[in-house]
Amino acid sequence: NAGVTQTPKFRILKIGQSMTLQCTQDMNHNYMYWYRQDPGMGLKLIYYSVGAGITDKGEVPNGYNVSRSTTEDFPLRLELAAPSQTSVYFCASSYLGGNQPQHFGDGTRLSIL
Amino acid sequence: GENVEQHPSTLSVQEGDSAVIKCTYSDSASNYFPWYKQELGKGPQLIIDIRSNVGEKKDQRIAVTLNKTAKHFSLHITETQPEDSAVYFCADNAGGTSYGKLTFGQGTILTVHP
Repeated sequence: NAGVTQTPKFRILKIGQSMTLQCTQDMNHNYMYWYRQDPGMGLKLIYYSVGAGITDKGEVPNGYNVSRSTTEDFPLRLELAAPSQTSVYFCASSYLGGNQPQHFGDGTRLSIL
Repeated sequence: GENVEQHPSTLSVQEGDSAVIKCTYSDSASNYFPWYKQELGKGPQLIIDIRSNVGEKKDQRIAVTLNKTAKHFSLHITETQPEDSAVYFCADNAGGTSYGKLTFGQGTILTVHP
C-alpha cells in the first residue's frame, strides 16, 4: 500500500519559472491537503480539498493554485516562482476530514534561486 | 487566526527517562489534537491523537493529556529510547470544523542519549 506519494522529491527552480508538484493517494480518501514547512517551523496549510472538484484556501495560499479532478490526485501549481516559496511541501490525505487522522507523504524539497 | 504554541523547542534526555512536550491553543472550538513525529527527510507520522471528549489517552509508552479549560495538551513519552529521537509536532483543527484544517506548533527536537 503506497499511501500518499509525492513527486518530485527535490527540485531547483529559477525565479519566475513555474512548476507543478504532484500528489496522489491510493487510500480512497476524500480530503486532501497541501502544507509547506519552512526551516525550524511547523507546517502551514496552503490549500485543501474535500472531494473531487472542490478546493479552498488555507492559511498561506498566495502564489499557489490547485485542482482536484479525481479523488486520487491533488496537484499544487506554482505559477511565478519566488525565493519566498523555497520550502518543503507536504501533501496529506484523510478519509473524513474533521477530527480524523491525516496521512502525509514524504515531501518535495523546493529551492528557488 | 488560530495559534498553537509548543514548548520546549529542544529537549534532551537520557535513555530510559521520560519526556514531556506541552502545547497551548487559542481556539476554544478546536476539538481534535494530533501529535506527529517527523524523522529526517520524512513526512510527519501520526503517533497519537485525542479528541475533546476525552481527557487522556495512552498507547504503550506514549500518552496525551488534554485540559480544555486551560486550553493545553501534552505529550508524554516514558522509557525513552534512542529511536524516539525526532522532531515532534502538536496540532489542532482550528475552529473544530469538518474540514480538518490543522494548525501546527513550531516543533520540538527530542534527542535521546544512549
